[in-house]
Amino acid sequence: SQQGEEDPQALSIQEGENATMNCSYKTSINNLQWYRQNSGRGLVHLILIRSNEREKHSGRLRVTLDTSKKSSSLLITASRAADTASYFCATVRMGQKLVFGQGTRLTINP
Amino acid sequence: EAGVAQSPRYKIIEKRQSVAFWCNPISGHATLYWYQQILGQGPKLLIQFQNNGVVDDSQLPKDRFSAERLKGVDSTLKIQPAKLEDSAVYLCASSLSSWGRSSYNEQFFGPGTRLTVL
Repeated sequence: SQQGEEDPQALSIQEGENATMNCSYKTSINNLQWYRQNSGRGLVHLILIRSNEREKHSGRLRVTLDTSKKSSSLLITASRAADTASYFCATVRMGQKLVFGQGTRLTINP
Repeated sequence: EAGVAQSPRYKIIEKRQSVAFWCNPISGHATLYWYQQILGQGPKLLIQFQNNGVVDDSQLPKDRFSAERLKGVDSTLKIQPAKLEDSAVYLCASSLSSWGRSSYNEQFFGPGTRLTVL
């Protein structure tokens, strides 16, 4: 069964705008990760945030984690056409097993 | 550095036929994973190998799916016989990690094999 649920399921914005995706999960975690999947390609790891961290940045990406609410958000600033992809959150409870959500399909319009 | 290689990229078969997928992980990666990704969903772990041993196969439908990693390097995933609901993308991933280590090692994914069962 899938642990994470992303919201919204689909998001369409104009190039240059910011995109925010949310992820909720059900059980305690060791860390939470965000992945990107372009059409026809495999998954690419974007960022990892550990359960004792609240915010993390990587380039135009900002991830927050609220363990009390069991939720995370991914913010992409100054979006580009190349950011068009599906974005998945994945949780890790123990060991290395990733449990993925259903993803958010992001479309950046020129 | 070469990434995770998978073949074939696409496969179309009829139900009840057999199919096999191949994965070659990144050199030196001890852990190998097979995921199933049904259209519109996130990937689901089918099986995890640590070297040539199985660590987790709790979500592998063992009546029809099998996987092996005999020499602890490349791996094959087989479906026999295939059902319509097996239509999906099968992703292989690898990582440096050893099972039980507290630190996380990033998983690197291959491009996947898209299976269509008619």
